[in-house]
Amino acid sequence: KQEVTQIPAALSVPEGENLVLNCSFTDSAIYNLQWFRQDPGKGLTSLLLIQSSQREQTSGRLNASLDKSSGRSTLYIAASQPGDSATYLCAVSGNNNDMRFGAGTRLTVKP
Amino acid sequence: KAGVTQTPRYLIKTRGQQVTLSCSPISGHRSVSWYQQTPGQGLQFLFEYFSETQRNKGNFPGRFSGRQFSNSRSEMNVSTLELGDSALYLCASSLGQGQGGYTFGSGTRLTVV
Repeated sequence: KQEVTQIPAALSVPEGENLVLNCSFTDSAIYNLQWFRQDPGKGLTSLLLIQSSQREQTSGRLNASLDKSSGRSTLYIAASQPGDSATYLCAVSGNNNDMRFGAGTRLTVKP
Repeated sequence: KAGVTQTPRYLIKTRGQQVTLSCSPISGHRSVSWYQQTPGQGLQFLFEYFSETQRNKGNFPGRFSGRQFSNSRSEMNVSTLELGDSALYLCASSLGQGQGGYTFGSGTRLTVV
């Protein structure tokens, strides 16, 4: 059974700092990996999708990498802003038609 | 294009009652997945439907059931509600097998009293 772990569980940084969120998974036979953002009480907003054949994806200040063989992904956020404060979730899709989530990293960016 | 629509947004039910939640996927998406989110357990997979067939099911009791219609809209039903069923229920749609990734709705907040 796929297990997804996210480290750290919480992170507090001053505005402007670059930061890295980590995600690891136990089964490398994945279809794709997706990073989401969730604001309190709200649904999930997709940030980046990396197919299993890809190594990284970029969108604006966000960059996500995928190392399938080692079961790791990182989400890099450049020049963090207070509006980036949210919970970031990593999700892995396998070939059995479900998506497994990590517990998330709660990010606080202080002005 | 319209996103994933979940109704209702909020529900308050009494223990023992049953509830039905609805999810309308993005047009053209044939897969709908349901998730339960609680502070203690995080996001837990309930089930996934594709072309009206349940393809996968998470580890939830039989009180949780679902179905998908020919227009890909999906409903989730919980019978004999328990206090522990209070959660945010999220649905996600995709083309199928995660192709193009998943898009989530805003969720239904269910409170059981």
